[in-house]
Amino acid sequence: QKEVEQNSGPLSVPEGAIASLNCTYSDRVSQSFFWYRQYSGKSPELIMSIYSNGDKEDGRFTAQLNKASQYVSLLIRDSQPSDSATYLCAVNPPGAAGNKLTFGGGTRVLVKP
Amino acid sequence: EAEVAQSPRYKITEKSQAVAFWCDPISGHATLYWYRQILGQGPELLVQFQDESVVDDSQLPKDRFSAERLKGVDSTLKIQPAELGDSAMYLCASRDRGLAGTGELFFGEGSRLTVL
Repeated sequence: QKEVEQNSGPLSVPEGAIASLNCTYSDRVSQSFFWYRQYSGKSPELIMSIYSNGDKEDGRFTAQLNKASQYVSLLIRDSQPSDSATYLCAVNPPGAAGNKLTFGGGTRVLVKP
Repeated sequence: EAEVAQSPRYKITEKSQAVAFWCDPISGHATLYWYRQILGQGPELLVQFQDESVVDDSQLPKDRFSAERLKGVDSTLKIQPAELGDSAMYLCASRDRGLAGTGELFFGEGSRLTVL
């Protein structure tokens, strides 16, 4: 079992709709969770971080964390064509020296005008 | 705006040749990471430095890969000899000492390696 799992997609959504991305992780005691966005041929950039159960909103993005289910999600509201990218879920494993991040395989999102 | 610098951006080489990648992190960032990203997959950590010391190299194929950060600033990742399966994007990232735990890794543009 991979440490961080994501559906590879592509997830196709019409412009203006909500894109819902899911991520599961294997280590129950993980404490820090992150979403990175990666445009084709570019490097990842951090868009959201979440540490506590519940929802965290930042503009059109909402991250949701459920530690009991070992599940973290990202919602993108009012999706725009510029949101078309691969979204990487990352987890900071417990006990990891210096806070290394373990990434999932990414979910490719396509927003169609 | 400060950036993580990487070179070369692109490298094409034949198998069994030696390859080297260079990374200069954001000034003052103590932690430096080398990740490998195969097309269609997520980044995989190869090695992590804290200042000049290796913190984690458990996933580094040490028979052919080496990494150093001699003065705790810039870093070099070397592959000798390169194999077909090494074709990937090699990403360097750095983190400020004060941001430990926030997940804010700043990535360079990456070095794309193609092994023929």
